[in-house]
Amino acid sequence: AQSVTQPDIHITVSEGASLELRCNYSYGATPYLFWYVQSPGQGLQLLLKYFSGDTLVQGIKGFEAEFKRSQSSFNLRKPSVHWSDAAEYFCAVGGNQAGTALIFGKGTTLSVSS
Amino acid sequence: DAGVIQSPRHEVTEMGQEVTLRCKPISGHNSLFWYRQTMMRGLELLIYFNNNVPIDDSGMPEDRFSAKMPNASFSTLKIQPSEPRDSAVYFCASRVDGGGVAQYFGPGTRLTVL
Repeated sequence: AQSVTQPDIHITVSEGASLELRCNYSYGATPYLFWYVQSPGQGLQLLLKYFSGDTLVQGIKGFEAEFKRSQSSFNLRKPSVHWSDAAEYFCAVGGNQAGTALIFGKGTTLSVSS
Repeated sequence: DAGVIQSPRHEVTEMGQEVTLRCKPISGHNSLFWYRQTMMRGLELLIYFNNNVPIDDSGMPEDRFSAKMPNASFSTLKIQPSEPRDSAVYFCASRVDGGGVAQYFGPGTRLTVL
């Protein structure tokens, strides 16, 4: 079955500390992976995406993610968190078939403490 | 590019009334998705279209919900009659076919059914 698991429902990180949000996927074909961020009252914004090639991808707002095929993981990282990073983060997986939808995880809520 | 446009942004209605949510996808995108987001259920895919044709409507909760895409630049999601449990944020997203192409989300419509 195709699925995305985000094991952490809620994470609290101190401002300036590093961050890692976990994402594991199950997908039958070559996976294309995405991270989205949703600030309160906003829509989902694309942070970064992985298609192929270098397994470490850079995104907006200083985020990066690493694809590990052997672990079926695509964890999101940021070296130093800012208070404005407090939001909900969604991991998603998809394929290259036309007319298919991305499969989203249930999200991880990030709180940033001062 | 204007991005995905949704209207109205906020809708308050009374139980039993008909509600119509509207979406204009990004020009050139040929897949369109409707999602519902609530605190209890998270982000749910309701239905999606490819080249204006409904591909998967298994997420539509009941017959009270219907969606149409009469042309490539417009889609509606209708709820008739509406119920308080339909209160949620409804998102529209679009993308163009291709391997690993991201979905782009609109700002959402916050629906409150009294």
